[in-house]
Parts: sequence; C-alpha cells; structure tokens
Amino acid sequence: SAVISQKPSRDICQRGTSLTIQCQVDSQVTMMFWYRQQPGQSLTLIATANQGSEATYESGFVIDKFPISRPNLTFSTLTVSNMSPEDSSIYLCSVLARLAGDTQYFGPGTRLTVL
Amino acid sequence: GENVEQHPSTLSVQEGDSAVIKCTYSDSASNYFPWYKQELGKGPQLIIDIRSNVGEKKDQRIAVTLNKTAKHFSLHITETQPEDSAVYFCAASLDYGQNFVFGPGTRLSVLP
Repeated sequence: SAVISQKPSRDICQRGTSLTIQCQVDSQVTMMFWYRQQPGQSLTLIATANQGSEATYESGFVIDKFPISRPNLTFSTLTVSNMSPEDSSIYLCSVLARLAGDTQYFGPGTRLTVL
Repeated sequence: GENVEQHPSTLSVQEGDSAVIKCTYSDSASNYFPWYKQELGKGPQLIIDIRSNVGEKKDQRIAVTLNKTAKHFSLHITETQPEDSAVYFCAASLDYGQNFVFGPGTRLSVLP
C-alpha cells in the first residue's frame, strides 16, 4: 500500500484567508484525489489532481475556490480560498494504487476550522 | 450515476458478538467494492475489498459477501472487540477507480 502524508494535520483560520494543504506519497501513483468530509458525514470528491494539467472538478466545486496543483507523480496541493465557516471540514488526499488492483488509499486528513 | 446506500447508520453490539453492515448500489456496471474503517481523527483505512467475480472474501474476523444480482454487499465482523469501534464506509466503483462512490457510513460501537 502507498504511504501518504498531509500537511498541516490541522489548522484554525480566519474568514477570508486561504490555506494550502500538501499531500506527499512515498511512491509514484497513477491518480490522486482530494475529498472533503464534513463533520459526521461521508466523503465527497472535490477533484482529481492531474499531473501537469488542470484538475478535473466534480459538480459543485470550482477551481477559483479550490485550486489544485500536481507538479509530479508523488505530490499535490489543494488550496481552500477565501474561506468561510462553511469550509470547516476534514480534507483528505487519496491515491489510486494501480499495482494494488485499483484500490484507493487515504492520507490522514487535514482538519480545518474557519472562524 | 452510481448511488450507494448503507444500513444501519449506527450499530451497537456487545463485545464478542457479530456485526453486519449492508450496502446496496445502483449501477450494475460497478465491479469493485471496498470497505473502509475510519477511527476518530484519522483517514479512512482499507480493511477488505471484493471484486465482482467473487462472491465472498474473508480475512481473519472480517468477511465481505457480494450478491451481484441483487446489487448488495455486506461486511461481517465476528468476535467484535472494543477496537473495532469506528465509522465504516462501503464504496462501489468501476475499473481503475472510475466513479468511486462512498456510502454514508455506519458508526459501530462495541460495548465492553
């Protein structure tokens, strides 16, 4: 399985500011994803991070609010822009480990609180 | 698109008893069904998965069964222990992680 790390693990931010979350994988993976998990809820896919090109966003999520970068096969960032209290959630990075049979593995998550 | 339902939303069992969580899916093309365990403050961890060409898979105290005709699959945990307490998510997807959809989750509490 892939080992995934995220930074920061948690943060408390002020309304109107932005936060960039980093995701690092210990091996090259085919696909990387960003999810949001609101308190007590299931996981909602924000976007697929594409290497060297624009991310593919799911309905309800836009690039201006959640810009994503993926400069190489092992690293991606998600920025939560112009934050409001409604953005308070856990943000999770996941990867598709093709060699492991198309299984998604998740990072530990970033717990974001917006005041 | 795919829709995954999961029941029950909460489940309490006595230590040593068995726990069963059921999921149904809508897209008959889905062929990969993983189960994740999420402990408080952590990311989801894959605990077992099954593909459409298999009806049952077991790993120690955990088993998953799949009924493709009825489009449902279940997680079975035997001899439950307090450390099994967590939120469990099922998911369904197509090949290569396409259309990966999660169920709403089940909060399992194992009472000592």
